[in-house]
This record gives sequence, structure tokens and C-alpha cells, in this order.
Amino acid sequence: EAGVAQSPRYKIIEKRQSVAFWCNPISGHATLYWYQQILGQGPKLLIQFQNNGVVDDSQLPKDRFSAERLKGVDSTLKIQPAKLEDSAVYLCASSGGRSAFFGQGTRLTVV
Amino acid sequence: AQSVTQPDIHITVSEGASLELRCNYSYGATPYLFWYVQSPGQGLQLLLKYFSGDTLVQGIKGFEAEFKRSQSSFNLRKPSVHWSDAAEYFCAVDNQAGTALIFGKGTTLSVSS
Repeated sequence: EAGVAQSPRYKIIEKRQSVAFWCNPISGHATLYWYQQILGQGPKLLIQFQNNGVVDDSQLPKDRFSAERLKGVDSTLKIQPAKLEDSAVYLCASSGGRSAFFGQGTRLTVV
Repeated sequence: AQSVTQPDIHITVSEGASLELRCNYSYGATPYLFWYVQSPGQGLQLLLKYFSGDTLVQGIKGFEAEFKRSQSSFNLRKPSVHWSDAAEYFCAVDNQAGTALIFGKGTTLSVSS
């Protein structure tokens, strides 16, 4: 069974630029999450989707971050404009029941 | 609000020695409990989980964890550590209400020879 796929693996951008991350969850998983993991900390939820609807986006900085999950399958997370403090690993996870499975993440560096 | 505490930021264990990583949670009822491992540059891999029933759960790679309701703890153990176990370990809770996992800050495990 294929796991959660994310791209790109690494991205370096200048502050005020925009960036987008892509995630393809495990086939059949209705729930998809985006987490932000800052160096030295645990992952923090940004947004949770159930199929193509948003369940929780309370911690998403909506002035600069946006996410969508068209057709309830793959998802994109966008940052525009990026700030230095957005440097982190962005993890996508999916769940078909009680356990969440994670992709390898995208490491974003904002300079 | 729910929270997860991993008191140890960094632990060093000799290869072949036993390991225990601590995890305490704050939640009114019994949540679902998880341990994940993250190797450098990798995503999180699920080691084991507790939902209900037997309080001692077995996971992959020889790990086990014990749920103690009275102590609100879910400590991870391994009887004999291998050099390949060096990684960061995260404890996480789920309040069973369909919301996302809440993670602790993690414990970095170093293995010395």
C-alpha cells in the first residue's frame, strides 16, 4: 500500500514570496491533516479536512496560509507571503480510522 | 484543554541497555494514545497505539508502552536499545471526538556504543 506522498521535499524561498505544498493521502482515507513542525517542537495542527470539507482550521494563520482539498483526495497548502518564522517542516497526514499516517514532509526555509 | 508532556528533552542510552521514555497527558477522560518515531529528515512513523483494553501494548521494532490511568501516563519502553533506535520520539493524544492529534514536544534519543 502506498503511503502519504508529499512534494517537494525541500524548498528555499525569500521572505514575502509565495510557496505551495502538495499532498496525496493514502487511497481511501477520508481525513487529511496539515501539520507545521518547527525545529525542536512537536507537530502543530494547521488544518484538518474530512473529505473535502474543513473540520478544524482554528490554528491556520488565514491572513497568509490557505489550503484546499478538491474532490476530497489530494490537497495543497499555500503560504503567501512567507515570513521568516514560517521556516519549518510541513507534514501531511491521512487517516481512514483511528490512526494517522504521515508523509515525509516538506522542509521550508525562508531567507 | 488537552496537553501532552514529555519531560525529557534528550536522553542518552548505551547500546543494549533498556529504555523508558516518559509521557504524561492532561485530559478529562481516557484519550486514544500514540507513540511516533521520527528519524532525521523523515516523517513520523507510528510505533504503537492504545485505544482500550489491555494496558500494555506492543508495537513495532520491539517497543511497548503501558497506559496507567492513575498517573495519566503512557510511557514507552524497550528492553534492549539498538544504535538504529536513535531518533526523536513523540507522544500524542486524540480525544476520540474526531479531532486531530495533539503532540508532545518530543524526546531525542541518542545511543552510545
